[in-house]
Amino acid sequence: KNEVEQSPQNLTAQEGEFITINCSYSVGISALHWLQQHPGGGIVSLFMLSSGKKKHGRLIATINIQEKHSSLHITASHPRDSAVYICAVRKSGGSQGNLIFGKGTKLSVKP
Amino acid sequence: NAGVTQTPKFQVLKTGQSMTLQCAQDMNHNSMYWYRQDPGMGLRLIYYSASEGTTDKGEVPNGYNVSRLNKREFSLRLESAAPSQTSVYFCASSEGWVGPQHFGDGTRLSIL
Repeated sequence: KNEVEQSPQNLTAQEGEFITINCSYSVGISALHWLQQHPGGGIVSLFMLSSGKKKHGRLIATINIQEKHSSLHITASHPRDSAVYICAVRKSGGSQGNLIFGKGTKLSVKP
Repeated sequence: NAGVTQTPKFQVLKTGQSMTLQCAQDMNHNSMYWYRQDPGMGLRLIYYSASEGTTDKGEVPNGYNVSRLNKREFSLRLESAAPSQTSVYFCASSEGWVGPQHFGDGTRLSIL
């Protein structure tokens, strides 16, 4: 079983809809990252969080450490939000290289 | 701001050939990483460098070597390319080991 699981794998939404992408993990972590991979392939870090909630524009990321679960929300979705969203966790107590990635959620927002 | 620059963007090799993927960052970051991304799988760490002069194996190091030439540059070498190494390779850097990672645009490598 993968240590980081994302759901759904694929998501299609209409412009303006509220979107939620989920990430569950099975290991102890020191931080969780959300990243966005554009259709052209470039990867951008959106959030890094270890507790609570962070907001940037229309994006909100939350984490529940006890439940080992994080969500990424997009409000008022737009076609330019179409991308693959990747969850990654850094294991607690691990070596520097221990960033474990989920397989990603492919989001398509239609006008 | 250039950020993390990878060269080349695309490359086709024949089995057994060697090549070096170059990566440079201009953010004065201490840590640098090489990942590969394959269809249906998450990014997987090949090698990383915590600081200039140090390198360590990641999850999938076999068939690769790395060099941390200086603080800016971290190269990945395939000594004898194999079709299983066909992938998209990403270089990344971070200020420290706990910070967010900044990624290059990737190198799409095909080995025939």
